[in-house]
Amino acid sequence: AQKITQTQPGMFVQEKEAVTLDCTYDTSDQSYGLFWYKQPSSGEMIFLIYQGSYDEQNATEGRYSLNFQKARKSANLVISASQLGDSAMYFCAMREEGGGADGLTFGKGTHLIIQP
Amino acid sequence: DAGVIQSPRHEVTEMGQEVTLRCKPISGHDYLFWYRQTMMRGLELLIYFNNNVPIDDSGMPEDRFSAKMPNASFSTLKIQPSEPRDSAVYFCASSSYLIGPNYGYTFGSGTRLTVV
Repeated sequence: AQKITQTQPGMFVQEKEAVTLDCTYDTSDQSYGLFWYKQPSSGEMIFLIYQGSYDEQNATEGRYSLNFQKARKSANLVISASQLGDSAMYFCAMREEGGGADGLTFGKGTHLIIQP
Repeated sequence: DAGVIQSPRHEVTEMGQEVTLRCKPISGHDYLFWYRQTMMRGLELLIYFNNNVPIDDSGMPEDRFSAKMPNASFSTLKIQPSEPRDSAVYFCASSSYLIGPNYGYTFGSGTRLTVV
């Protein structure tokens, strides 16, 4: 079973609109962390936002916020007031604390295209 | 800080040749990860080190792949002999628990490997 599921392979959004990118995860650990990365066409992986499983508040970083619904095991990324420069691949990832697993497990990604 | 530095940025080699990818982690980070990105399989964790010691190499595809970390500031990923199916983008990343709850996972710019 996939540990990270991103159900939107691609999205087209008008500039200045808000965008929600979906991410669901699967873990039996009580302690885990959820990450979102942006990968523009140049290829680098850019860290956007982090949510810990015990964090009671949803994480926010500038125009990025993470809609964390623990019972549903979802960690959707919300981008407010989208810009042309937001066009990129977006990856959701998880780090599980149990079993000594220290690497990140990534979803397949969502290709976001912002249209003028 | 210069970030995670990978070299080369691009590598084109012939099938059967040995390929060595290099990575310099962020100073002070005690974890180093090697990931591979392909269209078919997405981002996969190959191997990771903690304090220069390999912890989990279960993601290494086969014996043709090997990785070393002789000191805290340098790691290599070697493929010998290389095959066309090894063509991918290889990322190095580093992190540290001391950074904070998100561990400061930082990726290098990647090496795009093409085996012809």
